[in-house]
Amino acid sequence: AQSVTQLDSHVSVSEGTPVLLRCNYSSSYSPSLFWYVQHPNKGLQLLLKYTSAATLVKGINGFEAEFKKSETSFHLTKPSAHMSDAAEYFCVVSDMRGYSTLTFGKGTMLLVSP
Amino acid sequence: GAVVSQHPSRVICKSGTSVKIECRSLDFQATTMFWYRQFPKKSLMLMATSNEGSKATYEQGVEKDKFLINHASLTLSTLTVTSAHPEDSSFYICSARGGSGANMNTEAFFGQGTRLTVV
Repeated sequence: AQSVTQLDSHVSVSEGTPVLLRCNYSSSYSPSLFWYVQHPNKGLQLLLKYTSAATLVKGINGFEAEFKKSETSFHLTKPSAHMSDAAEYFCVVSDMRGYSTLTFGKGTMLLVSP
Repeated sequence: GAVVSQHPSRVICKSGTSVKIECRSLDFQATTMFWYRQFPKKSLMLMATSNEGSKATYEQGVEKDKFLINHASLTLSTLTVTSAHPEDSSFYICSARGGSGANMNTEAFFGQGTRLTVV
């Protein structure tokens, strides 16, 4: 069994300040972990993924995430928020074998103010 | 990354009619496709998983006779909402994975979504 908990339903930041979106997971097997971003009425775009290589994963648009097995966390960060980062972010887990479906967190809405 | 094209992006239909949504993998063979439904301000709810050439596996609570899924080729899956009602109005998203068995890709690629409005 696997599950994902996104700890914040909404996060508000000012443009130019750091972003932290929190995600904790549970998985019976070695997990693959993903962060996806969704803009209004759009599909999902992959930001980054962890699949057992380096624990610090760099993605697109300046985002990165660190896999911490001891804390079962995969938090998403960005040093400096941009207005265009405002969107819904989903943390997703799948087991490493690939047999399981993707399990989505409930999402975190990132709001960026000028 | 790989591209998944979903069509149409928006559709409005009358209550009682059927609507077909297509999901195509443009540059890879999608051995597995997933169909999700997303309610306003909510996460994605998996409706069904389909493997090419076999019947779809539906999640509990999803009516398979209402939401017909066909995955006839490695690049195309369709979701048909039959006898649509206003409560079926929602945002539907497909995703696709390549590979199979131990070589299945862990990453899924998503279509752009379809906004269905039933009036």
